Amino acid sequence: GAGVSQTPSNKVTEKGKYVELRCDPISGHTALYWYRQSLGQGPEFLIYFQGTGAADDSGLPNDRFFAVRPEGSVSTLKIQRTERGDSAVYLCASSSITGPEQYFGPGTRLTVT
Amino acid sequence: EDQVTQSPEALRLQEGESSSLNCSYTVSGLRGLFWYRQDPGKGPEFLFTLYSAGEEKEKERLKATLTKKESFLHITAPKPEDSATYLCAVQGGAQKLVFGQGTRLTINP
Repeated sequence: GAGVSQTPSNKVTEKGKYVELRCDPISGHTALYWYRQSLGQGPEFLIYFQGTGAADDSGLPNDRFFAVRPEGSVSTLKIQRTERGDSAVYLCASSSITGPEQYFGPGTRLTVT
Repeated sequence: EDQVTQSPEALRLQEGESSSLNCSYTVSGLRGLFWYRQDPGKGPEFLFTLYSAGEEKEKERLKATLTKKESFLHITAPKPEDSATYLCAVQGGAQKLVFGQGTRLTINP
């Protein structure tokens, strides 16, 4: 596939549970980003990876949120002890070293009941 | 702190009725201003990047322009398939994008 892919497309979980969201960036893209989008709002930045390291995690709302990218390609966003306020669409984007444009995946809709 | 404000929040047009969407921004050291299109249930789709005041980019019925304080997305003779939410974002000193809340555009046939 040529684009960014995210799995699952939908996730429903109970309050207090742990969830993992996966992102597969465009092949060859070294930069990977996670954003969160609430209904009727624009995406909000969470974390940015350059290669394997988190270069900017200033958008993570608290220590329940964590993300990894161990081999510099696929990334996983992990949320512990989920709360109803975590319900949103989680978007992943990637960009290449040749341009600043970020290309987004379809998102994972997370619902915490 | 970088900020982006889009107006109007929603806009309804008749097919063929041209109009403009506004994006006002404040940023420390603009590296790029980006326009995206987002359809319901989908991720944002990249449209344009603008780098400096006076720059213009066009794609089909869309034209994006940039000044030092705002950007406009002009839509000429729109069709129903142009209906979507249009998002504006800026990139300043950091790599992250700061988005506005979007303009929800509806084109009636």
